[in-house]
Amino acid sequence: EPEVTQTPSHQVTQMGQEVILRCVPISNHLYFYWYRQILGQKVEFLVSFYNNEISEKSEIFDDQFSVERPDGSNFTLKIRSTKLEDSAMYFCATTRGEGLTGELFFGEGSRLTVL
Amino acid sequence: AQSVTQLGSHVSVSEGALVLLRCNYSSSVPPYLFWYVQYPNQGLQLLLKYTSAATLVKGINGFEAEFKKSETSFHLTKPSAHMSDAAEYFCAVSTTGGGNKLTFGTGTQLKVEL
Repeated sequence: EPEVTQTPSHQVTQMGQEVILRCVPISNHLYFYWYRQILGQKVEFLVSFYNNEISEKSEIFDDQFSVERPDGSNFTLKIRSTKLEDSAMYFCATTRGEGLTGELFFGEGSRLTVL
Repeated sequence: AQSVTQLGSHVSVSEGALVLLRCNYSSSVPPYLFWYVQYPNQGLQLLLKYTSAATLVKGINGFEAEFKKSETSFHLTKPSAHMSDAAEYFCAVSTTGGGNKLTFGTGTQLKVEL
């Protein structure tokens, strides 16, 4: 069964460092998303990405964050100058189409710990 | 704007007992509603979805949910719990024009005891 894969599964970093989280989407999927879940809180939408550009982003997704799909396979989330409050589980999700009835396929998540 | 409230962050049931996980939504337009499950060390997996067709929706692993507009609810049920149902369950809402931007609840951890 096709699946979304994320790396790393867990990353520990020092405050102020840059982090790149990677996602390999299902091969025929066209829409990509990042969500995050701070421990004990809701899963929150960060950004959606289609046709090599951001479709929508939340208030959380400020200039500290960026996304790209540089090589047509990996979909990356870059967090510049990490802060303690960036510690969370980050989920990548992909779908073939943007239809509301379409299913989002989630990866297993990347746990980011900022010290 | 839409939101989802899941009552009970932890629910414990005996094996073979009824599972009832509660979800209430708030939306100014007709919602699309989803239940996702997350097993330990795995990603979120779609259990079932309501997309304005039948109000009683059947999903995988024997789960079902009923959309009740009058109660703004979309509770998840399973007649008989199995040990393998132990996981975290998330209710989520999306609305027309929202694409696949989901708004999630805080999740309910289901524990199944012998």
